[in-house]
Amino acid sequence: GQQLNQSPQSMFIQEGEDVSMNCTSSSIFNTWLWYKQDPGEGPVLLIALYKAGELTSNGRLTAQFGITRKDSFLNISASIPSDVGIYFCAGYNYGGSQGNLIFGKGTKLSVKP
Amino acid sequence: ETGVTQTPRHLVMGMTNKKSLKCEQHLGHNAMYWYKQSAKKPLELMFVYSLEERVENNSVPSRFSPECPNSSHLFLHLHTLQPEDSALYLCASSQDREGANTGELFFGEGSRLTVL
Repeated sequence: GQQLNQSPQSMFIQEGEDVSMNCTSSSIFNTWLWYKQDPGEGPVLLIALYKAGELTSNGRLTAQFGITRKDSFLNISASIPSDVGIYFCAGYNYGGSQGNLIFGKGTKLSVKP
Repeated sequence: ETGVTQTPRHLVMGMTNKKSLKCEQHLGHNAMYWYKQSAKKPLELMFVYSLEERVENNSVPSRFSPECPNSSHLFLHLHTLQPEDSALYLCASSQDREGANTGELFFGEGSRLTVL
């Protein structure tokens, strides 16, 4: 089945640093999504990308939909302690139910004040 | 507060017990899902209900039995589970629009299940 390779697996950074993580797939997707899971909570959607090459920002977050449709990256600028959590990429293709996402294994982010 | 509430938040059960997880969504959505989250593994879709009908069952063992009595409520009935079933079980909901789905899901906080 389809799998996503998400890296890095974990990051431990200083407050104020920028963060970059990415996701690659052997097959193409129509939509790439990035979710964040705070400790003890469920995942929450951060950014959704619908077009190859699309670059979208949400505050300090910037994500891009790779031109090949097989990858995506997420950048966080000037990290703060509340950025701590697990970030998941997810790929989705039209025609399936909303829940038929393929998720990456997650990037665990720790921020040192 | 995402509008999706799961109970209980934590559950410990023996292999011979029968228990149920409950999920309620207050978002007016027409689809609900159960996911399994295990350490160092991607989220696994277990069951999909759209308009209260089960549309997908991704080869989940029969010891997991879902129930969707209406579009706002979803249950996961558990019986004779194995220790490897210990995980975080996440409920999610969405508004399914034929031909216009986006992959956006709203998750509950999860039920942490431990099977002894």
